[in-house]
Amino acid sequence: KNQVEQSPQSLIILEGKNCTLQCNYTVSPFSNLRWYKQDTGRGPVSLTIMTFSENTKSNGRYTATLDADTKQSSLHITASQLSDSASYICVVSPKNYGGSQGNLIFGKGTKLSVKP
Amino acid sequence: AAGVIQSPRHLIKEKRETATLKCYPIPRHDTVYWYQQGPGQDPQFLISFYEKMQSDKGSIPDRFSAQQFSDYHSELNMSSLELGDSALYFCASSYGTSGGEQFFGPGTRLTVL
Repeated sequence: KNQVEQSPQSLIILEGKNCTLQCNYTVSPFSNLRWYKQDTGRGPVSLTIMTFSENTKSNGRYTATLDADTKQSSLHITASQLSDSASYICVVSPKNYGGSQGNLIFGKGTKLSVKP
Repeated sequence: AAGVIQSPRHLIKEKRETATLKCYPIPRHDTVYWYQQGPGQDPQFLISFYEKMQSDKGSIPDRFSAQQFSDYHSELNMSSLELGDSALYFCASSYGTSGGEQFFGPGTRLTVL
C-alpha cells in the first residue's frame, strides 16, 4: 500500500535554531516528492519538489534531500523564524502506468512550533 | 503572481442543505483537483478534472458532484449535507497531468450545523 510516514509528529524549537524533518515513503513507482508548508486553516504552499533523480533542492532557508534507494526524504530548516511555525507536509506523487501523475499521497505532517 | 482562488472562504450550512464551492485555477492551468481535509487530518483526494473532463476520482461521496467549465474554473456541488462534511475543502491546479506541480488555493471552510 502506498504510504507516506513523517516524523516527528510535532517539534518545538527556539528561534534561530536549525531542525530536520523526516519523511519515509513506500510509493512505487513514484513521480516526484514535494514538501509543503501549511499554516493552520490555510492551503498548503509548495516549498520544494524533487524527482527521483534529484538528491537535494533548496528554497531559501529550506533544503530538502531525497534518497530514492532508501525511500527517505528530509527537510532541513536553517535559522528558524517565528513565521516558520506551521505544519510541514511530505507529499508523494505516484506514477501511473501511462506516465501520468497519480493522486497525491499526503503524509500526516510535522507540526513545528518556533518559540522566541 | 496570480494564485488559485476559492470562494467562498467560509460557509455555514445546516444538515440536508446543499452547498456549492468554486475554484478558479491559476491562468493557463488546465487541471483542477479537489481535496477534503477534516480536523487534524491530511487532505483526502476527491476528484480531478483535466481539460473539462473528469481525470481521476477519489473518495468523493455520491452526494457530491463536480465539473470543470470552459473557462477552466470548477465547482464542487454538495447535497444532503451531513455533520461529517464539515471540513476544509481545497482546490489545487496544475498545468497538465504529468507531474506538474499542484498549487493549492486557500481553501473553503465548510461548517455543517
